[in-house]
Amino acid sequence: EAQVTQNPRYLITVTGKKLTVTCSQNMNHEYMSWYRQDPGLGLRQIYYSMNVEVTDKGDVPEGYKVSRKEKRNFPLILESPSPNQTSLYFCASSPNSGFTDTQYFGPGTRLTVL
Amino acid sequence: KQEVTQIPAALSVPEGENLVLNCSFTDSAIYNLQWFRQDPGKGLTSLLLIQSSQREQTSGRLNASLDKSSGRSTLYIAASQPGDSATYLCAMGANAGKSTFGDGTTLTVKP
Repeated sequence: EAQVTQNPRYLITVTGKKLTVTCSQNMNHEYMSWYRQDPGLGLRQIYYSMNVEVTDKGDVPEGYKVSRKEKRNFPLILESPSPNQTSLYFCASSPNSGFTDTQYFGPGTRLTVL
Repeated sequence: KQEVTQIPAALSVPEGENLVLNCSFTDSAIYNLQWFRQDPGKGLTSLLLIQSSQREQTSGRLNASLDKSSGRSTLYIAASQPGDSATYLCAMGANAGKSTFGDGTTLTVKP
């Protein structure tokens, strides 16, 4: 089944404890992206990747890191999480980087930073 | 900075009614406009994608239009059903790679 998977789906952690949220797609998509969704602020783009080894900042990249070493994986790294990073995170992928195709979203990761 | 606005924030209609959701954007250098549906606690499901060279797209009871000159897109839902109740988001793709979402319209269709 074609899908975007995220792990973990739920995570509660403490301030400063490094964490990684994984994202994987099995559709051989070039483009991948991370978003966070917060009440009253909507969905905001964190980072995106046009292809392997190509990443760029979205609107809210502060406090996050990403890497794209393989086409299928695009992990989101929080080196030192803070409470303001408590949010619902979504990973998405698209067949190509030209935005001529739809974005497919993962199920989301709900992160709580205490 | 690209901005996407959706009005109204919430809408309640009786079953069977036709309705229109609105999306406006500030950047004329748009690559595409995509409409999504989000159910409570769930991810986003793509409904329709309109390329910048297109004026509209249709899928079943849904029709989305795009007017680049006025910076507006509409999602038309015909003969609404209670199962259509969800939050509808529009997203503008621009500067290949960047994607900006509206805050969404929460639709309730009453039986």
